[in-house]
Amino acid sequence: LAKTTQPISMDSYEGQEVNITCSHNNIATNDYITWYQQFPSQGPRFIIQGYKTKVTNEVASLFIPADRKSSTLSLPRVSLSDTAVYYCLVGDVSKLVFGAGTILRVKS
Amino acid sequence: GAVVSQHPSWVICKSGTSVKIECRSLDFQATTMFWYRQFPKQSLMLMATSNEGSKATYEQGVEKDKFLINHASLTLSTLTVTSAHPEDSSFYICSAPGVGYAEAFFGQGTRLTVV
Repeated sequence: LAKTTQPISMDSYEGQEVNITCSHNNIATNDYITWYQQFPSQGPRFIIQGYKTKVTNEVASLFIPADRKSSTLSLPRVSLSDTAVYYCLVGDVSKLVFGAGTILRVKS
Repeated sequence: GAVVSQHPSWVICKSGTSVKIECRSLDFQATTMFWYRQFPKQSLMLMATSNEGSKATYEQGVEKDKFLINHASLTLSTLTVTSAHPEDSSFYICSAPGVGYAEAFFGQGTRLTVV
C-alpha cells in the first residue's frame, strides 16, 4: 500500500482558499487518490477522488500532476465549519490505511 | 449517497462486561465491512475485515477472541468487545465499500467508555 505524507496541521481564515498537499511517491498504476474529511466524534466523510489531472465537485477540487506522486486538495472559500481532519488515501477500499491526516483550523 | 448506520452512538459499560456494536448498510448490500478503532487525537486503525458468511480477517495485533465479529447478513455486521477493560475505551467506526470498491462509506462511529 502506498504510504502518504501530509502536513500535520494548517491554519486558515474564513473565505480563503486552502490547499492541502499529499505526497504518495510509491503510488501504484491502478491506485486512485481519495480524500476524506473527519469531524470530531464522527466517521470520515468522502470528499473527492481522482486518478489524474483535475477533478472538481461541489465542495472541492483535486489536482494530480502527471507523475501522480502527489496530489493537492483545494477547498475554496473555507468557513468555520470546514475545521476538521483531512485524510489522503491511496488505493482501493479493500484495505484503507489512514495516515495521520491534516488538522485544518479555520479562524474567523 | 449510500448510508452506513452504527448503533449505539455511545455506550458506557463496566469493566468485565461485553458490548455489541452494530453496523448496518441501509440502502445497499455489503459483503464486506471494515472495523476501525480510533484513540483520541490519533488516526483510524483498521482492526478487521468482516466478510458475510465467513470468518473475519483480523489485523496483526488485534485479538480475535476479544473482538468478535459477526457478519450474518448482507446488511449487518456486529463487533462485540468481550470482557471490556478501560484500555478498550475508544471510538469504533465501521465502513462498507461502495460499488466497485471505489469509495468507502463510514458509520457515524460508536464511543465506548469502559469504567
